[in-house]
Amino acid sequence: NAGVTQTPKFQVLKTGQSMTLQCAQDMNHNSMYWYRQDPGMGLRLIYYSASEGTTDKGEVPNGYNVSRLNKREFSLRLESAAPSQTSVYFCASSGVLFYPTWLNEQFFGPGTRLTVL
Amino acid sequence: EDKVVQSPLSLVVHEGDTVTLNCSYEVTNFRSLLWYKQEKKAPTFLFMLTSSGIEKKSGRLSSILDKKELFSILNITATQTGDSAIYLCAGGLQGAQKLVFGQGTRLTINP
Repeated sequence: NAGVTQTPKFQVLKTGQSMTLQCAQDMNHNSMYWYRQDPGMGLRLIYYSASEGTTDKGEVPNGYNVSRLNKREFSLRLESAAPSQTSVYFCASSGVLFYPTWLNEQFFGPGTRLTVL
Repeated sequence: EDKVVQSPLSLVVHEGDTVTLNCSYEVTNFRSLLWYKQEKKAPTFLFMLTSSGIEKKSGRLSSILDKKELFSILNITATQTGDSAIYLCAGGLQGAQKLVFGQGTRLTINP
Protein backbone atom coordinates (compact mmCIF):
# COMPACT_ATOMS: atom_id res chain seq x y z
CA ASN A 1 0.00 0.00 0.00
CA ALA A 2 1.99 2.98 -1.30
CA GLY A 3 -0.54 5.71 -0.37
CA VAL A 4 0.05 8.80 -2.52
CA THR A 5 2.95 8.75 -4.97
CA GLN A 6 4.34 11.63 -7.03
CA THR A 7 6.78 11.83 -9.90
CA PRO A 8 9.27 13.30 -10.43
CA LYS A 9 10.86 14.11 -7.06
CA PHE A 10 12.97 16.94 -8.48
CA GLN A 11 12.83 18.93 -11.70
CA VAL A 12 14.66 21.90 -13.15
CA LEU A 13 13.05 23.76 -16.05
CA LYS A 14 13.94 26.76 -18.12
CA THR A 15 11.46 29.60 -18.43
CA GLY A 16 8.87 28.75 -21.07
CA GLN A 17 9.28 24.98 -20.91
CA SER A 18 6.33 22.77 -20.12
CA MET A 19 6.01 19.74 -17.91
CA THR A 20 3.48 17.50 -16.19
CA LEU A 21 3.62 16.41 -12.57
CA GLN A 22 2.08 13.01 -11.96
CA CYS A 23 0.18 11.86 -8.89
CA ALA A 24 -1.45 8.52 -8.07
CA GLN A 25 -3.19 7.14 -5.00
CA ASP A 26 -4.11 3.58 -4.13
CA MET A 27 -6.52 4.27 -1.25
CA ASN A 28 -9.66 4.37 -3.42
CA HIS A 29 -10.16 8.03 -2.49
CA ASN A 30 -12.65 10.13 -4.39
CA SER A 31 -10.98 13.51 -3.94
CA MET A 32 -7.52 14.64 -5.02
CA TYR A 33 -5.65 17.94 -4.70
CA TRP A 34 -2.62 19.85 -5.86
CA TYR A 35 -0.90 22.32 -3.53
CA ARG A 36 2.18 24.44 -3.75
CA GLN A 37 4.29 25.34 -0.74
CA ASP A 38 6.51 28.40 -0.63
CA PRO A 39 8.54 29.59 2.38
CA GLY A 40 6.30 31.26 4.97
CA MET A 41 3.14 30.64 2.91
CA GLY A 42 1.87 27.31 4.19
CA LEU A 43 0.09 25.17 1.60
CA ARG A 44 -1.92 26.90 -1.11
CA LEU A 45 -4.47 24.98 -3.13
CA ILE A 46 -3.93 25.11 -6.89
CA TYR A 47 -6.68 22.79 -8.16
CA TYR A 48 -8.72 19.98 -6.75
CA SER A 49 -10.94 17.20 -7.99
CA ALA A 50 -13.82 16.32 -5.67
CA SER A 51 -14.60 13.20 -7.66
CA GLU A 52 -13.63 11.49 -10.89
CA GLY A 53 -14.63 13.65 -13.85
CA THR A 54 -14.69 16.97 -11.99
CA THR A 55 -12.02 19.59 -11.36
CA ASP A 56 -12.19 22.99 -9.69
CA LYS A 57 -9.88 25.93 -9.21
CA GLY A 58 -8.32 26.56 -5.84
CA GLU A 59 -6.64 29.65 -4.48
CA VAL A 60 -3.76 29.95 -7.03
CA PRO A 61 -4.75 28.28 -10.35
CA ASN A 62 -3.17 30.71 -12.83
CA GLY A 63 -0.50 29.12 -15.01
CA TYR A 64 -1.62 25.56 -14.28
CA ASN A 65 -3.96 22.96 -15.74
CA VAL A 66 -5.06 19.62 -14.33
CA SER A 67 -6.43 16.33 -15.56
CA ARG A 68 -8.24 13.74 -13.47
CA LEU A 69 -7.29 10.80 -15.64
CA ASN A 70 -9.21 8.23 -13.60
CA LYS A 71 -10.03 7.67 -9.95
CA ARG A 72 -6.39 6.95 -9.08
CA GLU A 73 -4.52 9.61 -11.04
CA PHE A 74 -4.49 13.40 -11.03
CA SER A 75 -1.88 15.30 -13.04
CA LEU A 76 -0.76 18.93 -12.92
CA ARG A 77 0.56 20.63 -16.05
CA LEU A 78 2.63 23.76 -16.40
CA GLU A 79 2.25 24.89 -20.02
CA SER A 80 4.87 27.64 -19.96
CA ALA A 81 6.90 27.62 -16.77
CA ALA A 82 7.84 30.87 -15.06
CA PRO A 83 10.34 31.53 -12.23
CA SER A 84 7.38 32.40 -9.97
CA GLN A 85 6.35 28.74 -10.21
CA THR A 86 9.51 27.63 -8.43
CA SER A 87 8.08 25.80 -5.44
CA VAL A 88 7.47 22.45 -3.79
CA TYR A 89 4.34 20.79 -5.14
CA PHE A 90 2.30 18.36 -3.08
CA CYS A 91 -0.46 16.07 -4.21
CA ALA A 92 -3.01 14.86 -1.67
CA SER A 93 -6.11 12.70 -1.56
CA SER A 94 -9.03 12.27 0.80
CA GLY A 95 -11.79 9.81 1.37
CA VAL A 96 -15.43 9.56 0.43
CA LEU A 97 -18.01 12.02 1.71
CA PHE A 98 -20.53 10.47 4.04
CA TYR A 99 -23.52 12.55 5.03
CA PRO A 100 -23.74 13.77 7.80
CA THR A 101 -20.09 12.97 8.60
CA TRP A 102 -17.76 14.76 6.22
CA LEU A 103 -14.24 13.47 6.16
CA ASN A 104 -11.65 16.20 5.70
CA GLU A 105 -8.40 14.40 6.51
CA GLN A 106 -6.05 14.53 3.54
CA PHE A 107 -3.09 12.25 2.87
CA PHE A 108 -0.08 13.77 1.19
CA GLY A 109 2.49 12.55 -1.30
CA PRO A 110 6.24 13.16 -0.82
CA GLY A 111 6.32 16.29 -2.97
CA THR A 112 8.07 17.50 -6.13
CA ARG A 113 10.70 20.21 -5.84
CA LEU A 114 10.50 22.32 -9.00
CA THR A 115 12.98 25.01 -9.95
CA VAL A 116 12.33 27.29 -12.93
CA LEU A 117 15.38 29.21 -14.15
CA GLU B 1 -12.58 34.83 1.88
CA ASP B 2 -11.71 31.88 4.12
CA LYS B 3 -8.62 32.47 6.21
CA VAL B 4 -6.51 30.57 8.74
CA VAL B 5 -3.80 32.39 10.71
CA GLN B 6 -1.15 30.74 12.83
CA SER B 7 1.07 32.24 15.50
CA PRO B 8 3.86 32.46 16.19
CA LEU B 9 5.38 31.92 12.74
CA SER B 10 8.61 30.74 14.31
CA LEU B 11 9.52 29.49 17.77
CA VAL B 12 12.81 28.32 19.26
CA VAL B 13 12.85 26.59 22.64
CA HIS B 14 15.02 24.25 24.67
CA GLU B 15 14.45 20.55 25.01
CA GLY B 16 12.06 19.85 27.86
CA ASP B 17 10.09 23.09 27.48
CA THR B 18 6.34 23.16 26.89
CA VAL B 19 5.07 25.01 23.82
CA THR B 20 1.68 26.26 22.71
CA LEU B 21 0.95 26.88 19.05
CA ASN B 22 -2.05 28.98 18.05
CA CYS B 23 -4.43 28.80 15.12
CA SER B 24 -7.33 31.16 14.47
CA TYR B 25 -9.75 30.76 11.60
CA GLU B 26 -12.43 32.52 9.62
CA VAL B 27 -13.97 29.76 7.53
CA THR B 28 -17.49 29.82 6.17
CA ASN B 29 -19.41 26.58 6.71
CA PHE B 30 -16.73 25.40 9.13
CA ARG B 31 -16.67 21.67 9.79
CA SER B 32 -13.33 20.74 11.37
CA LEU B 33 -9.88 21.94 12.35
CA LEU B 34 -6.92 19.77 11.46
CA TRP B 35 -3.31 19.81 12.65
CA TYR B 36 -0.43 18.42 10.61
CA LYS B 37 3.28 18.00 11.34
CA GLN B 38 5.73 18.53 8.49
CA GLU B 39 9.32 17.48 8.86
CA LYS B 40 11.43 17.24 5.74
CA LYS B 41 8.78 16.00 3.35
CA ALA B 42 5.03 15.52 3.32
CA PRO B 43 2.72 16.77 6.09
CA THR B 44 1.54 13.99 8.37
CA PHE B 45 -1.80 14.10 10.15
CA LEU B 46 -1.92 14.76 13.90
CA PHE B 47 -5.47 15.65 14.96
CA MET B 48 -8.89 16.48 13.64
CA LEU B 49 -11.16 18.50 15.93
CA THR B 50 -14.85 18.99 15.32
CA SER B 51 -16.32 19.73 18.76
CA SER B 52 -15.59 22.64 21.05
CA GLY B 53 -13.90 22.03 24.39
CA ILE B 54 -12.98 18.38 23.89
CA GLU B 55 -9.25 17.83 24.16
CA LYS B 56 -7.57 15.33 21.89
CA LYS B 57 -4.32 13.79 23.11
CA SER B 58 -1.59 11.72 21.57
CA GLY B 59 1.37 11.18 23.89
CA ARG B 60 2.91 14.57 24.65
CA LEU B 61 0.75 16.36 22.09
CA SER B 62 -2.73 17.67 22.77
CA SER B 63 -5.13 20.01 21.03
CA ILE B 64 -8.41 21.72 21.72
CA LEU B 65 -10.89 23.71 19.67
CA ASP B 66 -12.96 26.76 20.66
CA LYS B 67 -15.71 27.25 18.07
CA LYS B 68 -17.08 30.34 19.80
CA GLU B 69 -13.78 32.23 19.67
CA LEU B 70 -12.73 30.53 16.41
CA PHE B 71 -9.35 29.21 17.44
CA SER B 72 -7.43 26.09 18.30
CA ILE B 73 -4.22 25.44 20.21
CA LEU B 74 -1.69 22.66 19.93
CA ASN B 75 0.32 21.91 23.08
CA ILE B 76 3.52 19.94 23.20
CA THR B 77 4.90 19.08 26.63
CA ALA B 78 8.44 17.94 27.50
CA THR B 79 9.62 18.80 23.99
CA GLN B 80 12.28 16.71 22.26
CA THR B 81 14.54 17.52 19.33
CA GLY B 82 12.38 15.21 17.20
CA ASP B 83 9.49 17.63 17.66
CA SER B 84 11.33 20.15 15.48
CA ALA B 85 9.12 20.63 12.43
CA ILE B 86 6.64 22.94 10.77
CA TYR B 87 3.19 22.60 12.32
CA LEU B 88 0.29 23.37 10.01
CA CYS B 89 -3.32 23.89 10.92
CA ALA B 90 -6.16 23.81 8.42
CA GLY B 91 -9.87 24.54 8.40
CA GLY B 92 -12.14 21.93 6.84
CA LEU B 93 -15.33 23.03 5.13
CA GLN B 94 -18.76 21.51 5.66
CA GLY B 95 -19.95 19.64 2.63
CA ALA B 96 -16.66 19.93 0.78
CA GLN B 97 -13.35 18.21 0.89
CA LYS B 98 -11.30 21.40 0.71
CA LEU B 99 -8.91 22.46 3.44
CA VAL B 100 -7.70 26.01 4.01
CA PHE B 101 -4.20 26.00 5.47
CA GLY B 102 -2.47 28.51 7.69
CA GLN B 103 1.11 29.67 7.07
CA GLY B 104 2.57 27.19 9.52
CA THR B 105 4.66 27.55 12.69
CA ARG B 106 8.30 26.54 12.41
CA LEU B 107 9.25 24.99 15.76
CA THR B 108 12.90 24.41 16.60
CA ILE B 109 13.89 22.45 19.70
CA ASN B 110 17.47 22.98 20.81
CA PRO B 111 19.19 20.33 22.95
